[in-house]
Amino acid sequence: DAGVIQSPRHEVTEMGQEVTLRCKPISGHDYLFWYRQTMMRGLELLIYFNNNVPIDDSGMPEDRFSAKMPNASFSTLKIQPSEPRDSAVYFCASSRQDRGSYEQYFGPGTRLTVT
Amino acid sequence: AQKVTQAQTEISVVEKEDVTLDCVYETRDTTYYLFWYKQPPSGELVFLIRRNSFDEQNEISGRYSWNFQKSTSSFNFTITASQVVDSAVYFCALSRFLDSGGGADGLTFGKGTHLIIQP
Repeated sequence: DAGVIQSPRHEVTEMGQEVTLRCKPISGHDYLFWYRQTMMRGLELLIYFNNNVPIDDSGMPEDRFSAKMPNASFSTLKIQPSEPRDSAVYFCASSRQDRGSYEQYFGPGTRLTVT
Repeated sequence: AQKVTQAQTEISVVEKEDVTLDCVYETRDTTYYLFWYKQPPSGELVFLIRRNSFDEQNEISGRYSWNFQKSTSSFNFTITASQVVDSAVYFCALSRFLDSGGGADGLTFGKGTHLIIQP
């Protein structure tokens, strides 16, 4: 089975530009999570969805960040406008939380550089 | 609030030595889940193990073993006879149990321990 797919793998953009990160979860998984990894803050949860509905977005840094999940197989994380401090690796993860299986499987990440 | 502490920032050992990575957590929840993930130099996050708070049995998987002690809020990870391929950053993580419908919340990660296995 295919794992979590993220695109693009690398993104370099200039400050002020809009950035859209994409994620395709593992088929059949009902939870989807977005995380960010930086040297200073480590790995932190941004937002997660259950059955396409946002459940907890308390980790989203500010209004410049937004996330959507229009269907069970696709989610986006958008930053508008982007700033240099948004430079990080953004991970998407999914899990299937029935039958006591709560582990999250991560995508390869998108390395974002904002200049 | 939940918190995970991995006090060892970096550990360096020679191949074939045993090594233990420490993890201490804080939570007010009575039901929760603990995880270990591996991040090799290539950058992906690889799931290693999940433990439920109500199951304190230790677990062994090949050269890997985990010691969960609720009394000390610790979930330590031991690699026996380490190999160069074990070199990676290892993260301990914690999530809450969701009362509504069950399931686990998002992960709270520790800062990670960078394990270096020298040949």
